[in-house]
Amino acid sequence: KAGVTQTPRYLIKTRGQQVTLSCSPISGHRSVSWYQQTPGQGLQFLFEYFSETQRNKGNFPGRFSGRQFSNSRSEMNVSTLELGDSALYLCASSRGTTSGGTDTQYFGPGTRLTVL
Amino acid sequence: GEDVEQSLFLSVREGDSSVINCTYTDSSSTYLYWYKQEPGAGLQLLTYIFSNMDMKQDQRLTVLLNKKDKHLSLRIADTQTGDSAIYFCAFKAAGNKLTFGGGTRVLVKP
Repeated sequence: KAGVTQTPRYLIKTRGQQVTLSCSPISGHRSVSWYQQTPGQGLQFLFEYFSETQRNKGNFPGRFSGRQFSNSRSEMNVSTLELGDSALYLCASSRGTTSGGTDTQYFGPGTRLTVL
Repeated sequence: GEDVEQSLFLSVREGDSSVINCTYTDSSSTYLYWYKQEPGAGLQLLTYIFSNMDMKQDQRLTVLLNKKDKHLSLRIADTQTGDSAIYFCAFKAAGNKLTFGGGTRVLVKP
């Protein structure tokens, strides 16, 4: 079974631009969560999408948004980029339900975004 | 609020056991996880434990949970150089949101 894939793996943008990151979950998984990883703040939850609807949201400004398509693939968008948005953005997929136990999240390799 | 603490660094000799510790404040945790991150990579799930368990063993990995003290540990037996990485504990309370510790960098010396 293929794992979680994220594209692109690396991005360089300048302040003020916007960026879209993509995540394809494991086949059969309906939940996609996004996390930001920085040296200063560590791993922080951005949001979760399940069946094309945002189900949970972290404490990030409205410049960070996402969506999920009917095939469960998800995109994350950051508008008006700031230097502090430089980070590794990780996507995780899971079944999305807790029937049968933990709804374990499996992570992709991440997209490293550098804002200049 | 939620808080998860881990020590920053652990150095261990190849063949010895490693113990990575984690403390948390949210008593509503349902599942607690250990993830491993190697340089330039995403997070690899190592193991998890349900909050009503005290211990779980999975090959070289042993997870111990002390709910009273809100303390979670991961023991790696016979540590190998390939175990050098950053280890994160994480917990899940309500919903599907994971709250992570800051990570422990483990260096295995030959």
